[in-house]
Amino acid sequence: QKEVEQDPGPLSVPEGAIVSLNCTYSNSAFQYFMWYRQYSRKGPELLMYTYSSGNKEDGRFTAQVDKSSKYISLFIRDSQPSDSATYLCAATTSGTYKYIFGTGTRLKVLA
Amino acid sequence: GAVVSQHPSRVICKSGTSVKIECRSLDFQATTMFWYRQFPKQSLMLMATSNEGSKATYEQGVEKDKFLINHASLTLSTLTVTSAHPEDSSFYICSARGNRVFSGNTIYFGEGSWLTVV
Repeated sequence: QKEVEQDPGPLSVPEGAIVSLNCTYSNSAFQYFMWYRQYSRKGPELLMYTYSSGNKEDGRFTAQVDKSSKYISLFIRDSQPSDSATYLCAATTSGTYKYIFGTGTRLKVLA
Repeated sequence: GAVVSQHPSRVICKSGTSVKIECRSLDFQATTMFWYRQFPKQSLMLMATSNEGSKATYEQGVEKDKFLINHASLTLSTLTVTSAHPEDSSFYICSARGNRVFSGNTIYFGEGSWLTVV
């Protein structure tokens, strides 16, 4: 079992839709959870990070962590064609920067 | 925000030759840099952790003699793929963290380097 599991998609949604991207993880020691956006043939760009359980909101993006179920989510409101990219979740334990990544979910927002 | 620069962005080399990829932190001192490899439609796989002034720590299954990592200064780490073969063709990405706290427990990624071995 991979430490971080993510549905690779692709996920296609119409412009303006609310997008829900999800990951599950198996290592209960993970404390920090990140979401990265990666455009084709580019390096990942940090979108959100959260510590432990809870919600964090930044503009159209909301990150959610439920440590009891080992489930992390990223919600994108009012999705735009420019949001079309691969979204990677990552997790790490406290005190280390050794990130474990999911496989990424390809998102396509249709105009 | 923090900026990490990688060079070259694309490189094509002949089988058997060596290729060097540079990773620079542009506005901060990176005490630790990380090298990842990403195959198409797959996740980032950590290859090694590089600390300034010391030997890199390689992940299981990564050949130290094939992927030489040097972190000689606080702003530069290099990855040299020695005696490259077509199966080494991949997207190589570095990331870096520094002493300053940017926004929690985070690191920042370079733009990546596409290596094609022919």
